[in-house]
Amino acid sequence: RKEVEQDPGPFNVPEGATVAFNCTYSNSASQSFFWYRQDCRKEPKLLMSVYSSGNEDGRFTAQLNRASQYISLLIRDSKLSDSATYLCAVNDDSGAGSYQLTFGKGTKLSVIP
Amino acid sequence: GAVVSQHPSRVICKSGTSVKIECRSLDFQATTMFWYRQFPKKSLMLMATSNEGSKATYEQGVEKDKFLINHASLTLSTLTVTSAHPEDSSFYICSARDLAGEYEQYFGPGTRLTVT
Repeated sequence: RKEVEQDPGPFNVPEGATVAFNCTYSNSASQSFFWYRQDCRKEPKLLMSVYSSGNEDGRFTAQLNRASQYISLLIRDSKLSDSATYLCAVNDDSGAGSYQLTFGKGTKLSVIP
Repeated sequence: GAVVSQHPSRVICKSGTSVKIECRSLDFQATTMFWYRQFPKKSLMLMATSNEGSKATYEQGVEKDKFLINHASLTLSTLTVTSAHPEDSSFYICSARDLAGEYEQYFGPGTRLTVT
């Protein structure tokens, strides 16, 4: 059974803080990894893909550690608008070349003024 | 990013009726679309994978005769909740994968279904 695990939080941090989330996955054959952001009662929105070499987009940095089977998301200089639930997603081949995303349950972040 | 629309955004129906939800990829083609359900404060649960021109693949525990999926074109998939019951009340979200993409999925805005 393919599993994706995240600390549910909540993470309550002050504005300007740096916060990091980790996500572990069970399938060593997983190929693609993503972070999504979901606001309350809204759909998930793709935040960034996660590449083996690590990637950065403004205040957000994502990293992949294949050996330990985890991905991370670092948010620097937190803004109030960063408050949301962050979902990690792992892409797996469900058979016959059909790929599905398996989502973690999400980590809730609250940035406090 | 790619745009996926979903209609209706909110629907209230009586127990025993059927509800159809449409999912469209607006600016890209999607051979594969996915249907998820999310209960309040719970995680996304994949219901089925919808493949253009073929039968959908349902996850374990999801009744294919109750949740009818049709993916007639590269830009449209529909989910019909048949004989809806109050326990079917949930947030239904579709997603689509860009043919030219790297397996990322783009989500529609979701449909909030309330069955009374």
